[in-house]
Amino acid sequence: NAGVTQTPKFRILKIGQSMTLQCAQDMNHNYMYWYRQDPGMGLKLIYYSVGAGITDKGEVPNGYNVSRSTTEDFPLRLELAAPSQTSVYFCASSYPHLGGGPDGELFFGEGSRLTVL
Amino acid sequence: AQKITQTQPGMFVQEKEAVTLDCTYDTSDPSYGLFWYKQPSSGEMIFLIYQGSYDQQNATEGRYSLNFQKARKSANLVISASQLGDSAMYFCAMREIGTASKLTFGTGTRLQVTL
Repeated sequence: NAGVTQTPKFRILKIGQSMTLQCAQDMNHNYMYWYRQDPGMGLKLIYYSVGAGITDKGEVPNGYNVSRSTTEDFPLRLELAAPSQTSVYFCASSYPHLGGGPDGELFFGEGSRLTVL
Repeated sequence: AQKITQTQPGMFVQEKEAVTLDCTYDTSDPSYGLFWYKQPSSGEMIFLIYQGSYDQQNATEGRYSLNFQKARKSANLVISASQLGDSAMYFCAMREIGTASKLTFGTGTRLQVTL
């Protein structure tokens, strides 16, 4: 069981370039998320999705776009990369949280380290 | 306003000793969940323990326990019998009801276990 798979693991971009970070999960989770982690900081939510065709902004969405055409895939698009987008990006997924208990625990991918020069 | 506050940027603990990592939270929602994740130097996020706001007992998972003080809005992680492999960043996170299971994270505490 692969869980949450992110590609690429490392990437260097030049200012103004665009790229897509891929995320796929094989756990049939409805909910998927993109977080970024700046050095020495916690994770901040960029975008999330509660199901195919439904996406919504998180805390720091500027400069990013997402799509969710299938349950499995949730790509994150960076348009016109800027140095401020240098970060580690985590994709995560979960079942819907329906009540008390740890359901709704996030399962994380291994992260994608992006550097914009 | 910060929803999750971790006031200890770094902590040291000797091997085999217990250590407490602090976490306070802010919410007006009566139903919420609190999580602790470990991030070793390799970078992955590892789920450690969960506490629901209505849980009567403090959560425990092996050497990890969560000291939940609801009135103080604190959810401290206690690691007993520390091991060298416990050296990592530790993040406290909160999920509020009706938020699509989104987690809000604190800034983390870096724990270093010494011989």
